Amino acid sequence: QVTLRESGPALVKPTQTLTLTCTFSGFSLTTSGMCVSWIRQPPGKAPEWLARIDWDDEKFYSTSLDTRLTISKDTSKNQVVLTLANMDPVDTGTYYCAQILVGLRSAFDTWGQGTMVTVSS
Amino acid sequence: EIVLTQSPGTLSLSPGERATLSCRASQSVNYSYLAWYQQKPGQAPRLLIYGTSIRATGIPDRFSGSGSGTDFTLTISGLVPDDFAVYYCQRYDMSPRGYTFGQGTLLEIK
Repeated sequence: QVTLRESGPALVKPTQTLTLTCTFSGFSLTTSGMCVSWIRQPPGKAPEWLARIDWDDEKFYSTSLDTRLTISKDTSKNQVVLTLANMDPVDTGTYYCAQILVGLRSAFDTWGQGTMVTVSS
Repeated sequence: EIVLTQSPGTLSLSPGERATLSCRASQSVNYSYLAWYQQKPGQAPRLLIYGTSIRATGIPDRFSGSGSGTDFTLTISGLVPDDFAVYYCQRYDMSPRGYTFGQGTLLEIK
């Protein structure tokens, strides 16, 4: 059974860097074809994809946020880490990690429960 | 950048009725790369349909997806109380690699 869980600060100040950790089980990011993404959702709005990291360490970022985002993995801990620099109040929302659909890689198959992040001074 | 527009914004129906939700893309989408999600308050989205018409694991067969090109549809036959939620379509783009969601349709009990 695949599970994912996000962790990180609930409150960050403007200009700070947000660091979130996704801890997963039920699969390994050393297995060919496995990928994990981060998605965020502002309150009352649609989800927005942020980044993806693949088993071979290939990385993809949202074009609108790529200068601020970094994604990495620690396969020994079954973790994926996302950093988002220069936080702003518009970055407030729930941040999810998700396992990418194996094979097509076209959708988000299993999601964590999400972690709410508020940006405020 | 391909934009996904969902309609209607809100759909009010009664249990037992059929729901038809639309997702229109600003450019043609590969049918393999169109998905649908259900989201209830306080929960993460749940994958319902991928590849336009393939139900994800454990999804009841009252959920069906169809479409091609720029027009895609999610149909829910015989609504049950548990189906009232927000529904999002989502596309995958290979170049550049990325994922985009529609703005959502709220399916509410009439």
